[in-house]
Amino acid sequence: GEDVEQSLFLSVREGDSSVINCTYTDSSSTYLYWYKQEPGAGLQLLTYIFSNMDMKQDQRLTVLLNKKDKHLSLRIADTQTGDSAIYFCAESISGGSYIPTFGRGTSLIVHP
Amino acid sequence: AAGVIQSPRHLIKEKRETATLKCYPIPRHDTVYWYQQGPGQDPQFLISFYEKMQSDKGSIPDRFSAQQFSDYHSELNMSSLELGDSALYFCASSSPLRARNTGELFFGEGSRLTVL
Repeated sequence: GEDVEQSLFLSVREGDSSVINCTYTDSSSTYLYWYKQEPGAGLQLLTYIFSNMDMKQDQRLTVLLNKKDKHLSLRIADTQTGDSAIYFCAESISGGSYIPTFGRGTSLIVHP
Repeated sequence: AAGVIQSPRHLIKEKRETATLKCYPIPRHDTVYWYQQGPGQDPQFLISFYEKMQSDKGSIPDRFSAQQFSDYHSELNMSSLELGDSALYFCASSSPLRARNTGELFFGEGSRLTVL
């Protein structure tokens, strides 16, 4: 949505690292998420980060958060063809129902 | 592990008709969310229910209504369908405790509605 913005496409070679970027507008965001959507499937939560964190690493995934610039990124190391999907950035705010607001998604294409 | 079940997976309707989508949350999840995702668009939050009561309302049109039943399944009713209603409708479920800790929603595979 307009509160969360992402580039629409990213193409990488298998084995390279992928970096998907996202900017958000709500400074009161408490949780920031990365969801993955494979063709014909629902959204699956990949990882999330609290707003009081700068970085979170989970196996091949690294999330970086720059609160000052309201910028979130997802780095996928050693990208594989199975990582080809749409990646959605989302934010939610505490004190309510934690309803995520999604970006339009970045379509990651991994080629041999 | 059981996931969120949505039915039907595909639905074709004509303008001005009515459609009903169903969602069965993960067992012991008491919160259900509905999202609408148009072609190439971000998922837009429509409405959510907690313990059978509406808890939050998003951009749900007045032509749409929804409810959550005693077994926690939910139905989204759409009337006077318009071409612009063609979209993928996702249902997600969560438990309040999990939502408070991680904000994680568990999504179904979606119901694709095509309005002709």
